[in-house]
Amino acid sequence: EAGVTQFPSHSVIEKGQTVTLRCDPISGHDNLYWYRRVMGKEIKFLLHFVKESKQDESGMPNNRFLAERTGGTYSTLKVQPAELEDSGVYFCASSQDFRVSEPSALHFGNGTRLTVT
Amino acid sequence: QKEVEQNSGPLSVPEGAIASLNCTYSDRGSQSFFWYRQYSGKSPELIMFIYSNGDKEDGRFTAQLNKASQYVSLLIRDSQPSDSATYLCAVHNAGNMLTFGGGTRLMVKP
Repeated sequence: EAGVTQFPSHSVIEKGQTVTLRCDPISGHDNLYWYRRVMGKEIKFLLHFVKESKQDESGMPNNRFLAERTGGTYSTLKVQPAELEDSGVYFCASSQDFRVSEPSALHFGNGTRLTVT
Repeated sequence: QKEVEQNSGPLSVPEGAIASLNCTYSDRGSQSFFWYRQYSGKSPELIMFIYSNGDKEDGRFTAQLNKASQYVSLLIRDSQPSDSATYLCAVHNAGNMLTFGGGTRLMVKP
């Protein structure tokens, strides 16, 4: 079974540019999450999709961030325009049905390291 | 106050020793607690979870939870160099999200 795949693994862009991160969840997983870790800070929740619908986007920092999951398969996270403080590692995770009783069902990708200069 | 706090380390232990990793959380209503291991450049990997007060053992790992003190710990017995990684404490308290601590970097020296 292929795991959660994220692309690119690294991205270096200049302030003001646009970057799009992609996440391919495990096939059949309805739940898709975006988290990020900025330098020196903890991993923080950004948002949660159930299929193509945004279930919870309370963690999105501002309107420069746009997440989509058209068709309920892969997801993209666009940052436009990027700012210096957006630098960090963006993780995607997926699950068929993340229940408290089955925490092992949440699978993380290796993350995209974004550097804004 | 951070919601989930961990000492960033590094925590250095000799091979074969017990590594003790600690985590405190602020939300007294938190129900589920998780320990993830993350190697550099890799994805967080779940190694333990615990819901009830007391100890839970799985191989060389023991998770300990004390809800009254809002404290959860992870003990790694017979530490190996391959255990060297960052250990993330995570709490599930509402919705479908996890709240993470900053992680503790563990170094096991041969």
